[in-house]
Amino acid sequence: LAKTTQPISMDSYEGQEVNITCSHNNIATNDYITWYQQFPSQGPRFIIQGYKTKVTNEVASLFIPADRKSSTLSLPRVSLSDTAVYYCLVGPGDTGFQKLVFGTGTRLLVSP
Amino acid sequence: EPEVTQTPSHQVTQMGQEVILRCVPISNHLYFYWYRQILGQKVEFLVSFYNNEISEKSEIFDDQFSVERPDGSNFTLKIRSTKLEDSAMYFCASSVGHSNTEAFFGQGTRLTVV
Repeated sequence: LAKTTQPISMDSYEGQEVNITCSHNNIATNDYITWYQQFPSQGPRFIIQGYKTKVTNEVASLFIPADRKSSTLSLPRVSLSDTAVYYCLVGPGDTGFQKLVFGTGTRLLVSP
Repeated sequence: EPEVTQTPSHQVTQMGQEVILRCVPISNHLYFYWYRQILGQKVEFLVSFYNNEISEKSEIFDDQFSVERPDGSNFTLKIRSTKLEDSAMYFCASSVGHSNTEAFFGQGTRLTVV
């Protein structure tokens, strides 16, 4: 599984757009990029998944450049409730994404 | 919205005892997982389960651990001879498929071994 690198922590203010970038230089051709969110004492929650270019849902956008060696999770207009740890995961999409390998994640703190 | 439910939310047990953590996955899901998170550390994969058998397990998942789907709805993790270092949050998860599908996690069981 490809190793991922993301910032340990980020700070933002309510209403700001937050972009968290993840590096995955050794991503394989059949790997997908997935982001999870985790609040304290809760299980991780799926945010978004993509393979290339841009994916958008009601919560976030995921930008993946052509070389796929990095990806950026974009959270528009964050609120206090977006304070959480965000994990970037890379894993195979064809042979099974059964084992999610979580790194240390990015701890986002949103202040008033 | 369908959810994965876990019971109990908190379990305290004495060292050496056996515990069973219970999970009810989402009803139409076919793949089930257990993860654990020691306080302040990463979420770690323990085991995945499909078609009534283990499909993958980590090196953490040794003979002390076992999983079972005793009926059509429950999925359990048994930990024998608990040790202090087994204290952690244990998360159950399930997914429809194993490829490109999101895993839904439960709220976790906090296991405290004293």
